[in-house]
Amino acid sequence: AQSVSQHNHHVILSEAASLELGCNYSYGGTVNLFWYVQYPGQHLQLLLKYFSGDPLVKGIKGFEAEFIKSKFSFNLRKPSVQWSDTAEYFCAVRSGYSTLTFGKGTMLLVSP
Amino acid sequence: NAGVTQTPKFQVLKTGQSMTLQCAQDMNHNSMYWYRQDPGMGLRLIYYSASEGTTDKGEVPNGYNVSRLNKREFSLRLESAAPSQTSVYFCASSERGQGALANYGYTFGSGTRLTVV
Repeated sequence: AQSVSQHNHHVILSEAASLELGCNYSYGGTVNLFWYVQYPGQHLQLLLKYFSGDPLVKGIKGFEAEFIKSKFSFNLRKPSVQWSDTAEYFCAVRSGYSTLTFGKGTMLLVSP
Repeated sequence: NAGVTQTPKFQVLKTGQSMTLQCAQDMNHNSMYWYRQDPGMGLRLIYYSASEGTTDKGEVPNGYNVSRLNKREFSLRLESAAPSQTSVYFCASSERGQGALANYGYTFGSGTRLTVV
């Protein structure tokens, strides 16, 4: 069975700091990988996704993620965070015909 | 706007009461899902319906039932609510492609915040 591990439960950054959120998955075959964001009181929105091809994926709002197959990782990055990036971030994986499996989330707080 | 619509947005139940959460999508998606979100636990799959006429258990199905009423609608029922079912419930839908890893993602509804007292 597939599983997803997010390294940090809470991250606190100052505005303009760089962000990297870790995500590792456990499945040896071909996978689809996703990052979702949930702003306070809202539903999940897709930030970016990886299906195939270029392992460096660019998403909305300046976010990007790199798929490293050898490390089973799909870390999310942003060079300079803003206060409006305060949210909870979820990594998710899907393999074969399986359903989407989510990590437990990382709460990001950006202080102005 | 096209998307996934959930009703109600908020609900308070007493232990033992029953209720049905409604979900409808207008994107002509084949597959629909119910997740619950709890602090520190992420989203966990309760039930899903890969296509109209089929339903399957997810990770945490106990205490719930589902009905895929038609291609658009997928409801979640709590027959006898318990405080452990206090959570935020999200419905989602997706297309289901031809290949094993067809290019599709999930679209989520805005959630139902349920409190069981």
